[in-house]
Amino acid sequence: QVQMVQSGAEVRKPGASVKVSCKASGYTFFSYGISWVRQAPGQGLEWLGWISTYSGDTNYAQKFQGRVTMTTDTSTTTVYMELRSLRPDDTAVYYCAREKYKFSGSLGYWGQGTVVTVSS
Amino acid sequence: DIQMTQSPSSLSASVGDRVTITCQASQDISDYLNWYQQKPGEAPKLLIHDASNLETGVPSRFSGSGSGTDFTFTISSLQPEDIATYYCQHYDNLSVTFGGGTKVEF
Repeated sequence: QVQMVQSGAEVRKPGASVKVSCKASGYTFFSYGISWVRQAPGQGLEWLGWISTYSGDTNYAQKFQGRVTMTTDTSTTTVYMELRSLRPDDTAVYYCAREKYKFSGSLGYWGQGTVVTVSS
Repeated sequence: DIQMTQSPSSLSASVGDRVTITCQASQDISDYLNWYQQKPGEAPKLLIHDASNLETGVPSRFSGSGSGTDFTFTISSLQPEDIATYYCQHYDNLSVTFGGGTKVEF
């Protein structure tokens, strides 16, 4: 069965960086792209970007351009999301999510979420 | 950028009620519209893809319709386990945009 397992909670100071991992299993890794979505406390869902696990191509939300980097490691079937220059309003649960259907933005498989807290 | 306007932001209903949520796109998005359910402390769950296609295993009381700019999500008979927040989501080859969410309560 498809599983997306994320790394554990992180605490960072403003201005620092955080790198969250998402290990995929149960399917052919490079067949489906993966998105990152975050949710601030009590707020809605916000898309950060997408990475092709086949080519490494990325699409980032304009809001995060220059501050986010997504990478993939096919040898360990893991994708990473690094967010830099952290601010307190980056405090959120960060999710990775796999496409349910190829070439589709239908996010059918989600990680458990990683809590990132940004506080001085 | 395409904006997704979801309404209402919250609603109160009773068991057995018909619940309707709407999502409006700022421009024509064809049927590139999904619906998710999120319960507290859980990741979102995909319920409907491409406007009207029910995911396998999702109860038939859930349905979606629409195309272009106006979309509707319906729960035909609200059940206790349906208490959650629902999100619409548009996708294209460049980006993903979520609606603001609708919290369904008793």
